[in-house]
Amino acid sequence: AQKVTQAQTEISVVEKEDVTLDCVYETRDTTYYLFWYKQPPSGELVFLIRRNSFDEQNEISGRYSWNFQKSTSSFNFTITASQVVDSAVYFCALGPFGGANSKLTFGKGITLSVRP
Amino acid sequence: DAGITQSPRHKVTETGTPVTLRCHQTENHRYMYWYRQDPGHGLRLIHYSYGVKDTDKGEVSDGYSVSRSKTEDFLLTLESATSSQTSVYFCAGGEDNTQYFGPGTRLTVL
Repeated sequence: AQKVTQAQTEISVVEKEDVTLDCVYETRDTTYYLFWYKQPPSGELVFLIRRNSFDEQNEISGRYSWNFQKSTSSFNFTITASQVVDSAVYFCALGPFGGANSKLTFGKGITLSVRP
Repeated sequence: DAGITQSPRHKVTETGTPVTLRCHQTENHRYMYWYRQDPGHGLRLIHYSYGVKDTDKGEVSDGYSVSRSKTEDFLLTLESATSSQTSVYFCAGGEDNTQYFGPGTRLTVL
C-alpha cells in the first residue's frame, strides 16, 4: 500500500523567514513520481512540481526548492524568504511511474500561515 | 488549470435527493478523476475514468456513480445525498501521470 505522511499540520512563520515542509512516503514500487500541490485560500489546487524517483537532484524554482532523498523516503519543500502570498495548504502526493494514468495518494496537507 | 471547469460551484441540497456535479475539460485529457476533500482527510479519490465510457472506483466510491459519455465531460452523481457527503468536490484531468484540478464544488447536504 502507498502512504504519504505530512506530519506537520500547521506552520506559522513571519514574513521573510525560511520554512521547510516535510513529506515522507511509503511505497513498494521501485519507480514512482512525487508531487507538490498548493491550495491557496481561494480554494483551487495548483500543481507545483513533479519529480521521478530516479532523479535525486534538488530542484530550485525562484524562492522554492525541493529536496528528494530516496534513502529516507522524503521529498521536502523549502520556501526561502517567505511571503504572505505563500499562505496556503500544501499537499504532497505519490503516484505511479509509467503509463498515462496516475492514481495519486495524497498526504493530509500542511497549512502554512505567513504573517506580515 | 483553466481548461477544467466545474458546475455548480456551490450547492445546498436536502438529504435523500439526487445530485449531479459536472466537470468539463477543454484539454482533451484522456484520464479524469473525482476527489472529495474533507478536513483531516486530505484528498480522497472517488472514481476515475480512463476513457469514454470507461470508469473505475476509487477508495471512497460508496454512494457515488459517474458517467463519461464524451471526452470533455465527467459527471459525478450522488444517488441519494446524505449529510456525510457534505464536502468539497474536485475534478481533475491529466496525462503523463500529472493531474490538473478544477476549481472545486462546495456541496452541503442538510
